[in-house]
Amino acid sequence: KAGVTQTPRYLIKTRGQQVTLSCSPISGHRSVSWYQQTPGQGLQFLFEYFSETQRNKGNFPGRFSGRQFSNSRSEMNVSTLELGDSALYLCASSLGQGRRKLFFGSGTQLSVL
Amino acid sequence: AQRVTQPEKLLSVFKGAPVELKCNYSYSGSPELFWYVQYSRQRLQLLLRHISRESIKGFTADLNKGETSFHLKKPFAQEEDSAMYYCALRSQGAQKLVFGQGTRLTINP
Repeated sequence: KAGVTQTPRYLIKTRGQQVTLSCSPISGHRSVSWYQQTPGQGLQFLFEYFSETQRNKGNFPGRFSGRQFSNSRSEMNVSTLELGDSALYLCASSLGQGRRKLFFGSGTQLSVL
Repeated sequence: AQRVTQPEKLLSVFKGAPVELKCNYSYSGSPELFWYVQYSRQRLQLLLRHISRESIKGFTADLNKGETSFHLKKPFAQEEDSAMYYCALRSQGAQKLVFGQGTRLTINP
């Protein structure tokens, strides 16, 4: 089985722009969650989707949003980019809710100039 | 509030020496605890979870509810154990993981 796939691998944007990141979960996995990884704050939970519904949201401003499609693929969007949004964005998938193993993608490295 | 603390940012030991990476948590309910590892240029991957009570790559971790700790241990470190290690907590009924800041483990030859 292919692992969790995130595209693109790298992105460079300027302040004020918006960006969309994509995540394809492992086949059969219905839950997708997103994390932001920075040297200063570490790994922080952004949001989780299951069956196209957002189930949980972390403590991030409304500029961060996401969605999940019927095929379980997920996208996250960041609008009006700020320098502090520079980070590695990780996607993780699991079979479903409850006590399930999470499998992480390689991430999208976003640099905001 | 849920919180995971890894007091050591960096840990360096010699090959063959014992290793202990510390993890303390705060959570009022029954948490699920994990150790994740990230080797150089590889994705974050699950190493251990407390409910499995297993040993992976020689590592073990025991949940101590009295001390709210979940320390990771290995009796004899190997060079390939050099990596970034994250302790994480998941609360009941949730998928969200709360991570510690991570410990970079370096095994010296």
